[in-house]
Amino acid sequence: GQQLNQSPQSMFIQEGEDVSMNCTSSSIFNTWLWYKQDPGEGPVLLIALYKAGELTSNGRLTAQFGITRKDSFLNISASIPSDVGIYFCAGREMGSSNTGKLIFGQGTTLQVKP
Amino acid sequence: NAGVTQTPKFQVLKTGQSMTLQCAQDMNHNSMYWYRQDPGMGLRLIYYSASEGTTDKGEVPNGYNVSRLNKREFSLRLESAAPSQTSVYFCASSEWAGSNSPLHFGNGTRLTVT
Repeated sequence: GQQLNQSPQSMFIQEGEDVSMNCTSSSIFNTWLWYKQDPGEGPVLLIALYKAGELTSNGRLTAQFGITRKDSFLNISASIPSDVGIYFCAGREMGSSNTGKLIFGQGTTLQVKP
Repeated sequence: NAGVTQTPKFQVLKTGQSMTLQCAQDMNHNSMYWYRQDPGMGLRLIYYSASEGTTDKGEVPNGYNVSRLNKREFSLRLESAAPSQTSVYFCASSEWAGSNSPLHFGNGTRLTVT
């Protein structure tokens, strides 16, 4: 089935640094979502993108829906220790709107050194 | 607000045993989903229910059955557990099965099959 390629797989950064991660697909998507998962909990929605080219911010987080509809990125500015967790991209392929089925990337594990 | 509630939080089964994972949401959502999460593989859709009274297979349905008991509840059953079903299981819901309807996740059930 369709796979999303999410990179990097893991990051270990210093507090205060900026972070960037991205997701690519082999087919066109009509929705891109970014989730964060803390240990022992379920994923929590950070940002939702619904239009090609859309750039959306949520505090220190910024995400963009790629113009080609085949990619998305998430940036975190001025990282803090509580940013630690696993970040997942997820998307819906064109034509899957009626089913709502999301496809997930493999996740980016972020660790922040104080 | 409880959101999506899953029970149990942890379970250990022996190969061949059966069990049912319970999920309930209090957000009046129409659509519900079951995912499994394995290291390095993101979340994979097992089954989903676009609306009360309907269920459909996802990416990895083999070895599982589901029941949409009512609008609030969506259960996942393992009839004869296998070690390959050791995983973390997440239930999710969305307002409807459409592209502009993000998923909200429960906190997961951690299942070990020995």
